[in-house]
Amino acid sequence: DAGVIQSPRHEVTEMGQEVTLRCKPISGHNSLFWYRQTMMRGLELLIYFNNNVPIDDSGMPEDRFSAKMPNASFSTLKIQPSEPRDSAVYFCASSLGAGLRSEQYFGPGTRLTVT
Amino acid sequence: GQQVMQIPQYQHVQEGEDFTTYCNSSTTLSNIQWYKQRPGGHPVFLIQLVKSGEVKKQKRLTFQFGEAKKNSSLHITATQTTDVGTYFCAGYNYGQNFVFGPGTRLSVLP
Repeated sequence: DAGVIQSPRHEVTEMGQEVTLRCKPISGHNSLFWYRQTMMRGLELLIYFNNNVPIDDSGMPEDRFSAKMPNASFSTLKIQPSEPRDSAVYFCASSLGAGLRSEQYFGPGTRLTVT
Repeated sequence: GQQVMQIPQYQHVQEGEDFTTYCNSSTTLSNIQWYKQRPGGHPVFLIQLVKSGEVKKQKRLTFQFGEAKKNSSLHITATQTTDVGTYFCAGYNYGQNFVFGPGTRLSVLP
């Protein structure tokens, strides 16, 4: 059974470019989460969806970040324009239950480097 | 806003020794989760605690939730090299964000 799938696994881009990270949650899960992990700030919840609807995006750092979930099996996190301080590992996670009281399954992450 | 702290930040133990990490929240939590992340890997769910004073065991791991639901601990008995990694607690309270602690990085010397 496939877990959470993220692509790309690594992304190197130049400052000012648009970056799109992709996530396929576990089939049947109805909540999806986007996290960012850095040494300085640790693991931060950016946004989460329940049944494809954004529930809480208070963790999104600024307007350069946007996330969509057009259907139950796909989500994107977009950064436009990217900046060097956006360099981090971005994780997508999904859970079977609604909200934040269910076990979350994390994907392998996308390591983003912005030069 | 809600803050979750963990101590210690790092812990080095000899294989066979015990290990404990402590998690403290600035606010009362409705539930707390624990995750383990191996070097270069992704967080993996270990357990969730919901009830005040709850204690759960998974083989050599013992998890506790404080009576006031503001603190939690993870204790590993007789550590093994496979226990190496960073252990995170993550707390949630209604109306507030889901916050991960900074983690405790455990290294086990064979």
